[in-house]
Amino acid sequence: EAGVVQSPRYKIIEKKQPVAFWCNPISGHNTLYWYLQNLGQGPELLIRYENEEAVDDSQLPKDRFSAERLKGVDSTLKIQPAELGDSAVYLCASSLRTGQGAGELFFGEGSRLTVL
Amino acid sequence: AQSVAQPEDQVNVAEGNPLTVKCTYSVSGNPYLFWYVQYPNRGLQFLLKYITGDNLVKGSYGFEAEFNKSQTSFHLKKPSALVSDSALYFCAVRALNDYKLSFGAGTTVTVRA
Repeated sequence: EAGVVQSPRYKIIEKKQPVAFWCNPISGHNTLYWYLQNLGQGPELLIRYENEEAVDDSQLPKDRFSAERLKGVDSTLKIQPAELGDSAVYLCASSLRTGQGAGELFFGEGSRLTVL
Repeated sequence: AQSVAQPEDQVNVAEGNPLTVKCTYSVSGNPYLFWYVQYPNRGLQFLLKYITGDNLVKGSYGFEAEFNKSQTSFHLKKPSALVSDSALYFCAVRALNDYKLSFGAGTTVTVRA
């Protein structure tokens, strides 16, 4: 079974430039998450999708970040314009939707962003 | 609000010795608890979870964790550590009716040969 696929793995841009990250979740997983991981810290949730609906985007900085999951499968996370403080690893994860919320998350390998 | 504390930034053990990585949590109601491992430049890999039932749960690669409700802890253990266990370990908690998973800051484990 293929895991969660993310691209690009690494991206270096100058500040004020736009950047986009792509995620393909595990087949059949309705729930998709984008997490932000700063160096030396645990992942922090940015946004969660149930199918194509963003059900929790309270932690997404909406002035510069946007995300979409148009057909309920692949997802894209965009930053425009990027700032120096956005340098981090952006993790995508997916899970089966379970009634009790007990399903574990499966993570991709992440997209490491460096803003110069 | 829910939270996780991993009191040790680093744990160093010799190969063959027991390994313990500590985790305490705070959550409203019954917790769902998870351990993940992250190798350099890789994503997080699921190790094990506690949902309900037996307080001792077994997971991948010989790891196990013990849920202690009175101490609100969920420590990760391995009886005999391997050099290949060297990695970054994250504890995470989720409330019963909430999909949000909150992670600790992580503990770096180094197993020396």
